[in-house]
Amino acid sequence: AQTVTQSQPEMSVQEAETVTLSCTYDTSESDYYLFWYKQPPSRQMILVIRQEAYKQQNATENRFSVNFQKAAKSFSLKISDSQLGDAAMYFCAYKEAGTASKLTFGTGTRLQVTL
Amino acid sequence: DTGVSQDPRHKITKRGQNVTFRCDPISEHNRLYWYRQTLGQGPEFLTYFQNEAQLEKSRLLSDRFSAERPKGSFSTLEIQRTEQGDSAMYLCASSSDIVLSGNTIYFGEGSWLTVV
Repeated sequence: AQTVTQSQPEMSVQEAETVTLSCTYDTSESDYYLFWYKQPPSRQMILVIRQEAYKQQNATENRFSVNFQKAAKSFSLKISDSQLGDAAMYFCAYKEAGTASKLTFGTGTRLQVTL
Repeated sequence: DTGVSQDPRHKITKRGQNVTFRCDPISEHNRLYWYRQTLGQGPEFLTYFQNEAQLEKSRLLSDRFSAERPKGSFSTLEIQRTEQGDSAMYLCASSSDIVLSGNTIYFGEGSWLTVV
């Protein structure tokens, strides 16, 4: 079974600084998708960024970028120029490609942004 | 595109009562998922529909839980004889099987259940 591990329960970053959230996963599949979701106190899960495993290029979305290391099964999220609105729980998630399969989530990292 | 909507947003019920949650997916999405999330945890998969067919159920979905998606549109999740351990947020999500969608799953705001 696939598993997703987020080893950092909490992280803190100063406004305008850069922070990296870690995620590792375990799978025997070669084709899959990886996601980072943000869940602010309002509780709605919001998609931050998506990575297809077959793509070598790391995904970027404005201030958010990933470092995808397929061989190491590592998928970290970098947030640049952190803003107060980035404070939230961040979940890493895995999904097999090619089938209508479910997302498997990690336990999350709570990100605090300080002035 | 109005997003995934869920109703009610909050429900407080007495132990032993039945509750039902409704989910309306994004209109062109044929896949619909239910997840459960407890405080401090990531969402856990409960069940999944492709159109009206329920294709997968988690072991977390006990006999007291039933989900339906008649006509492949909205879905309902019913919990019978609620227990305090059922207290959680129930998240609905949807996605499209169109390749260009990238298998991205979009979530609703969730339905909070408190069993007292």
